[in-house]
Amino acid sequence: DAGITQSPRHKVTETGTPVTLRCHQTENHRYMYWYRQDPGHGLRLIHYSYGVKDTDKGEVSDGYSVSRSKTEDFLLTLESATSSQTSVYFCAIREVGSTDTQYFGPGTRLTVL
Amino acid sequence: AQSVTQLGSHVSVSEGALVLLRCNYSSSVPPYLFWYVQYPNQGLQLLLKYTTGATLVKGINGFEAEFKKSETSFHLTKPSAHMSDAAEYFCAVGVDSSYKLIFGSGTRLLVRP
Repeated sequence: DAGITQSPRHKVTETGTPVTLRCHQTENHRYMYWYRQDPGHGLRLIHYSYGVKDTDKGEVSDGYSVSRSKTEDFLLTLESATSSQTSVYFCAIREVGSTDTQYFGPGTRLTVL
Repeated sequence: AQSVTQLGSHVSVSEGALVLLRCNYSSSVPPYLFWYVQYPNQGLQLLLKYTTGATLVKGINGFEAEFKKSETSFHLTKPSAHMSDAAEYFCAVGVDSSYKLIFGSGTRLLVRP
């Protein structure tokens, strides 16, 4: 499972509140990604990181920010949550080398009321 | 821009029948192509991937996919469906050196007894 954990696994919050989701990996992978999954859309990339303090935007980055102050943690922050951000959020790492594959964490289900 | 189209949001087959899940992509460069499977309330699990070389790729659980450049397709097949194959399947294309993934909208496979 590539040693990826996400916390919290479930969260219910109210519109306008800040929310931070954490992705933690234990295998020192350089690349990390945040996706959101919504019915009929598959997964869409929010932000990604290619190293400590190196991040870039994905397809649906509006309303989200990220930080990566150490290799093992990649944080996703919703500064002021909206109902449209109700979704399941997945973190992924890229295993570089002969496999060169992304592996996904178990997901965080976020509900914004 | 790269995109992925999965034909059929739901596919229903009888147990023991052939499984065929369709995926077409658009890419201006040779693509990396993936199939992932998601069981209910779980994360995504890699089934198989194509990078270079042999166009027929074998994956886990008896699945395989064939890369057809001329048709820009990467359809997933399994000769004989099992009840445990019931899940949602996602096709994805890898984008540039950052390895961002563009996902299709997913196909839910139902297996009838």
